[in-house]
Amino acid sequence: EAGVVQSPRYKIIEKKQPVAFWCNPISGHNTLYWYLQNLGQGPELLIRYENEEAVDDSQLPKDRFSAERLKGVDSTLKIQPAELGDSAVYLCASSLSGGTQYFGPGTRLTVL
Amino acid sequence: AQSVSQHNHHVILSEAASLELGCNYSYGGTVNLFWYVQYPGQHLQLLLKYFSGDPLVKGIKGFEAEFIKSKFSFNLRKPSVQWSDTAEYFCAVNVRQGGKLIFGQGTELSVKP
Repeated sequence: EAGVVQSPRYKIIEKKQPVAFWCNPISGHNTLYWYLQNLGQGPELLIRYENEEAVDDSQLPKDRFSAERLKGVDSTLKIQPAELGDSAVYLCASSLSGGTQYFGPGTRLTVL
Repeated sequence: AQSVSQHNHHVILSEAASLELGCNYSYGGTVNLFWYVQYPGQHLQLLLKYFSGDPLVKGIKGFEAEFIKSKFSFNLRKPSVQWSDTAEYFCAVNVRQGGKLIFGQGTELSVKP
């Protein structure tokens, strides 16, 4: 069974540019999470979806970050415009009805 | 707010040494507890988890963890480490199934052959 798929794996952009990350969860998993991991830190939740609905987006900086999960499967996380401090690893995870969260490989973003 | 603290930032051991990584959390209610591992170049993988029942939990690759409610702790142990255990280890909690995981800052384990 395929795991959580994320793309791209690496992204380098200049500040003020937009960037988007894509996540395909494990088949059948209805819950999808986006986490942010800064260097030397543990991941922190940005947003959690139950099917199509964002049920916890309290930590998402809504002035520049947005996310969507159309049709309750794939999800896209966008940053516009990117700032230097956004350099980090963006992790996607999925779970089945609140069970164990399985993580993807992450997208490493570097903002110059 | 809930938080998780991992005592050691970097641990260096020789092969066959015993391992114990500390993890404490701050939350007075019922929690679910996890240890995740990230091997070099790989994604986060679940090592073991505790939801309820026997406080001594066994995971993959010979790891185990003990939940001590009175100490708000969930320490990870392995009697004899191998070079292949070199990785970063994260303790995490959530207060409801399906809710966000709150991670500690991670412990980097280096095992010398």
